[in-house]
Amino acid sequence: DAKTTQPPSMDCAEGRAANLPCNHSTISGNEYVYWYRQIHSQGPQYIIHGLKNNETNEMASLIITEDRKSSTLILPHATLRDTAVYYCIVRVAWYSSASKIIFGSGTRLSIRP
Amino acid sequence: SAVISQKPSRDICQRGTSLTIQCQVDSQVTMMFWYRQQPGQSLTLIATANQGSEATYESGFVIDKFPISRPNLTFSTLTVSNMSPEDSSIYLCSVEESGEEKLFFGSGTQLSVL
Repeated sequence: DAKTTQPPSMDCAEGRAANLPCNHSTISGNEYVYWYRQIHSQGPQYIIHGLKNNETNEMASLIITEDRKSSTLILPHATLRDTAVYYCIVRVAWYSSASKIIFGSGTRLSIRP
Repeated sequence: SAVISQKPSRDICQRGTSLTIQCQVDSQVTMMFWYRQQPGQSLTLIATANQGSEATYESGFVIDKFPISRPNLTFSTLTVSNMSPEDSSIYLCSVEESGEEKLFFGSGTQLSVL
């Protein structure tokens, strides 16, 4: 699985959009980009994933560059409850026998009032 | 989404003993994963446990230290054997439902070894 690079920490004002970058320059054509977050003392929570098109769900938007070498997770209106460690992960398709999720060090996002 | 129950939620154990962690899912799942999260660190994948086959261990983890059982599609156990203080971590079970394309995690087992 390709490796990802994320800033170790970021902060954002409550109510503003939080934009979390991720670099995955060695991503392969069959690898998806996944985002999870871990709120203190809890198990990680799935946020969103995509292959090459931009994706949006009720939690966030995922913007993947055309060359797929980087992506940005956008939390449109950050709240204090969004304070967490955010992990960007690349993995081959879930139905592949080689598919597994390997966590990097993530970005610690702090939302300030 | 799958609901995962992990037991125990926490335990304090003596050096040299073993602890078995149970993971129960409310639906049948093909793929189950066990992770470890050491204090202040990210998650590290220990092994993949698929029903009907031997668990597949990641580099640095061996079956003698972390034996895993997967007797059916809703249950798995991870044993931490011959524990030392370095095994003090949170151990997390996760599952992936067919077609869901995403992992669901249990709340973890906080293990402290004295």
